[in-house]
Amino acid sequence: DVKVTQSSRYLVKRTGEKVFLECVQDMDHENMFWYRQDPGLGLRLIYFSYDVKMKEKGDIPEGYSVSREKKERFSLILESASTNQTSMYLCASRIEGQGWGYTFGSGTRLTVV
Amino acid sequence: RKEVEQDPGPFNVPEGATVAFNCTYSNSASQSFFWYRQDCRKEPKLLMSVYSSGNEDGRFTAQLNRASQYISLLIRDSKLSDSATYLCVVNLFNYGQNFVFGPGTRLSVLP
Repeated sequence: DVKVTQSSRYLVKRTGEKVFLECVQDMDHENMFWYRQDPGLGLRLIYFSYDVKMKEKGDIPEGYSVSREKKERFSLILESASTNQTSMYLCASRIEGQGWGYTFGSGTRLTVV
Repeated sequence: RKEVEQDPGPFNVPEGATVAFNCTYSNSASQSFFWYRQDCRKEPKLLMSVYSSGNEDGRFTAQLNRASQYISLLIRDSKLSDSATYLCVVNLFNYGQNFVFGPGTRLSVLP
C-alpha cells in the first residue's frame, strides 16, 4: 500500500512564526502536491513538484514556499505564519500524470493564533 | 466561470434511495475524469474513473457528457456508509499534467 505520511496531525503556531510541514511518500512517485482545504472552497493547490528540485506554483502560492531535495520528501514552508493560513493542509503524491493515482496523507490541521 | 463546479449540497437522502450528482467543467479539451470520495476528517480517496462510454462499479455509475461538459455520479440503493463528500477531478488541458479538484458535494444518507 502506498503511504503518504505527514509529520503532524495537529499544529498550533503563533503569528509570524516560520512553519514547516513535512510530507514523505514511500512509493517512488515522481509527482507531489500540497493542497489546503477550507470549508466551501474545496481543495486548492499551493505548490507541486514533478521531480526532485523541481517545483511549480499552484493556484495560491503566496505566503508559502516548498522544498524537494529528495524524491520521497516534499516540505511546505510558511515563511511568516498568518491567521488566514489556518487550514487543513493535505499532501499528495501521484504516479506521473495519472489522475487516478493520487494518494493523500491524512492531513495537518494548522491553527495560527 | 470556475474550472470545475459542483453543487455543494448537502444532499440528505434516506437509505435505499437513488441519488445523482453532477460536476461541470469549463475546458472542452479535458480528457480525464475521476470521482474521489472524502469521509469526514479523512483524506480523499479514489472512488472510480469516468470513461467516455460510462462505467459501473456495483451500486455506482459514472457518466460523461462531453457535449454539455459534465460528469455525473449515480448511487443506487444508498447505504449509511455512503455518507461522505464526493469530489470530481478533471484534467484541464491548459494545466498540462495537473488535475483540478472540484469543491465537492456532501451526501448524508439518513436511516
